[in-house]
Amino acid sequence: GENVEQHPSTLSVQEGDSAVIKCTYSDSASNYFPWYKQELGKRPQLIIDIRSNVGEKKDQRIAVTLNKTAKHFSLHITETQPEDSAVYFCAASREGGNKLTFGTGTQLKVEL
Amino acid sequence: EAGVAQSPRYKIIEKRQSVAFWCNPISGHATLYWYQQILGQGPKLLIQFQNNGVVDDSQLPKDRFSAERLKGVDSTLKIQPAKLEDSAVYLCASSPGSLVGEQFFGPGTRLTVL
Repeated sequence: GENVEQHPSTLSVQEGDSAVIKCTYSDSASNYFPWYKQELGKRPQLIIDIRSNVGEKKDQRIAVTLNKTAKHFSLHITETQPEDSAVYFCAASREGGNKLTFGTGTQLKVEL
Repeated sequence: EAGVAQSPRYKIIEKRQSVAFWCNPISGHATLYWYQQILGQGPKLLIQFQNNGVVDDSQLPKDRFSAERLKGVDSTLKIQPAKLEDSAVYLCASSPGSLVGEQFFGPGTRLTVL
């Protein structure tokens, strides 16, 4: 089955700096890669996703890049703000069921 | 639109007891998922329903866990008997269909097994 690895497990940045979280996946048939944000005690919420026919997608301060050959994808957050502090999960899925395999999560802390 | 509803929000039980969780997905969503999220880890899929049929239950510990989705709407997840290692947050999610795309999560049920 699919295996998703995520790094780093914790990330601390100063407000206004950029943050990058990286994930690798094992199943070359995976074609959908969402990123979820989970604040403490809250439900995971989708912040951005990318499909395998696209190399990069951007939404305001958030961007995701995908390298299908290397089987890795990354989340980029620019101009970080304190409200960006949360746990971020990457995930991968393939057509035929939308079964998400999640990474282990990255605790992002944005310090003032 | 109303989101995914789950109850109870918290449950504390003794090991070997039974427990049941309930989920009501977003109206019209055909696909429903149950995830187990152990503290410090990502959600792990336990079972996926398409309408009232099971699509994937490969990671469901069937000797103690069971789930059903009667009439293709609400779902219940049961653990009998519970073990200490079942302590986790149980998340329910739903999506419009089985094609890849956003899954909408409920608030979860935090289970503590003593």
